[in-house]
Amino acid sequence: ETGVTQTPRHLVMGMTNKKSLKCEQHLGHNAMYWYKQSAKKPLELMFVYSLEERVENNSVPSRFSPECPNSSHLFLHLHTLQPEDSALYLCASSQRLAIQNEQFFGPGTRLTVL
Amino acid sequence: SQQGEEDPQALSIQEGENATMNCSYKTSINNLQWYRQNSGRGLVHLILIRSNEREKHSGRLRVTLDTSKKSSSLLITASRAADTASYFCAGGDSNYQLIWGAGTKLIIKP
Repeated sequence: ETGVTQTPRHLVMGMTNKKSLKCEQHLGHNAMYWYKQSAKKPLELMFVYSLEERVENNSVPSRFSPECPNSSHLFLHLHTLQPEDSALYLCASSQRLAIQNEQFFGPGTRLTVL
Repeated sequence: SQQGEEDPQALSIQEGENATMNCSYKTSINNLQWYRQNSGRGLVHLILIRSNEREKHSGRLRVTLDTSKKSSSLLITASRAADTASYFCAGGDSNYQLIWGAGTKLIIKP
């Protein structure tokens, strides 16, 4: 596989469930990102990892828990979510952690919280 | 956080016409990037323009940047049905975070 892949593509969960989103990049990049995309709103940066170290946590509720076991994989663990957390969750990677670097996005996970 | 803002929010044109989308931002930026998103999919990078550049071309795309007005425009010439998508601008400041707009939804009618 090439580029950035995300699984699952669609997820429906209840508020008491625990689930995880997975992201894998096959580009040899050093930086990875989690974004939340809600309808008609700008992308919200949730977490940033550089060389497996978290460098940003943009006031994200603790019900979202990221994990970066190596530079190719990124997880987002979900527990006790709220209906307003329903959104498209996008993973991205870039060669380095720098603003001039192009970000490569995965297709996203469409999350619905009932 | 400061936001970018695209204008218009939605644009519908006939195939073959040119499409122009605008982006305004509030803070100083080092560069500005444009991305395209097909319905419900990930974003694809289109072009990056640096703060010391005024215009940049890539195929049918033309991007301008006016740092004094804190604005940028994306022009797609000779539009095609495959150009139907949402287009986002993202400004990079001295930090590593991109500041995203809410996007312009472009529909190309055959």
